[in-house]
Parts: sequence; structure tokens; C-alpha cells
Amino acid sequence: GENVEQHPSTLSVQEGDSAVIKCTYSDSASNYFPWYKQELGKRPQLIIDIRSNVGEKKDQRIAVTLNKTAKHFSLHITETQPEDSAVYFCAANPYGNNRLAFGKGNQVVVIP
Amino acid sequence: KAGVTQTPRYLIKTRGQQVTLSCSPISGHRSVSWYQQTPGQGLQFLFEYFSETQRNKGNFPGRFSGRQFSNSRSEMNVSTLELGDSALYLCASRAQDRGDYEQYFGPGTRLTVT
Repeated sequence: GENVEQHPSTLSVQEGDSAVIKCTYSDSASNYFPWYKQELGKRPQLIIDIRSNVGEKKDQRIAVTLNKTAKHFSLHITETQPEDSAVYFCAANPYGNNRLAFGKGNQVVVIP
Repeated sequence: KAGVTQTPRYLIKTRGQQVTLSCSPISGHRSVSWYQQTPGQGLQFLFEYFSETQRNKGNFPGRFSGRQFSNSRSEMNVSTLELGDSALYLCASRAQDRGDYEQYFGPGTRLTVT
């Protein structure tokens, strides 16, 4: 099955700096890669996603890049703010279908 | 549009009992997926239903089952509960079948098995 790994597990950044989280996946048939943000006690929230026919996608301070050859994709958060502090999950869809395989999550802490 | 809703939000059961959780997707969405979230294993896929049919199934024992109704609402059932079933159970809804991958999560049901 699909194996999705996230690095680093915890990331601390100063407010205003950038944060980058990298994920790797194993199934070359995966064609959809979403990122979810989960604050403590809340539901995972879809913040950005990318499909395999695109190399980069940006939405305000958030961007995702995809390298299909290397099978990795990354979340970039610029000008971090305290409200960006949360656990971020990456995911991929094994076999190109609708189920999602998730990474174990990254705890991002933005230090004011 | 109202978001995905799940009931109940919290549940305490004892070992050996069974439990039924409910999920109402976003209006117009026809697919519902279920995930189990634990600190150790993270988010793990249980199963997906589309138009009342199970489309995908994860690697969970047969004690975990689900169904979907004609109005797209879904239920999952866990029989013969074990302590390890304690988790946050999340459902996610998706609009279409093919080519529409975005999934939106409900708030989850926190199940505690004692």
C-alpha cells in the first residue's frame, strides 16, 4: 500500500520566518496530494492540494510543490503567524483512487 | 452550506459492547469516507461509501463495518469493542465520484472504551 512519510516531526519557527514541511510517498500511481491543518481539538482542515499534472500551487502565504520523479511534495508557509501553529498532515491517494493515506503529521510551533 | 456533521461527539463504552456512529455529509456530496485517528497510528482509512456502495476498504478487522443511506448519510459500526478501539473517528465527505478528490472532515466522534 501507499506509504507517506513526513519530515521533520516537529518544527519551531520564529514569527515572520518561513516553514517548510516535506513529505515522501511510495506509490507512483498517486495523483492527488492534499495538506490538512489540525488545531488542537478541531477537525483536520484542507488548506491546499495539488494534482500530479502541476508542479506548484500557491494560495496567499501557503504553497505546495511536487516532484513526481523524486516522489516528494512540500508545504511552504511564508511570513508565519502564531495562528499557523498546528499539526499539519500530508496525504496521497494510493492507486490514484479516492482513499487517502496520511503522513503522521508535523507539529509546527510559531514563536511570537 | 452546512459542513460535515457527526453524532455523537463523545461516547464512552465498555469492552465487548458495540457502537454506531453517524455522519451527515455536506449537502450534495455523495461520498463519505471514515478514518480512525490515534496518537500512535495517526489517521488511518477505514472505508469509503459512494451511492450506498462500499468503494474502498482499509486494513481493519471485520468488527468495523459501515453503510450509507439514500440521502448520503453514513453510519459506521464497531462490534465487540476493544480497548484499542479508543480513538477519534472522523468522517469526510466528497462531492463526486471520479476526478473530484477534495475531502472535507467532520468534527469527529471521540470514542473511549473502558
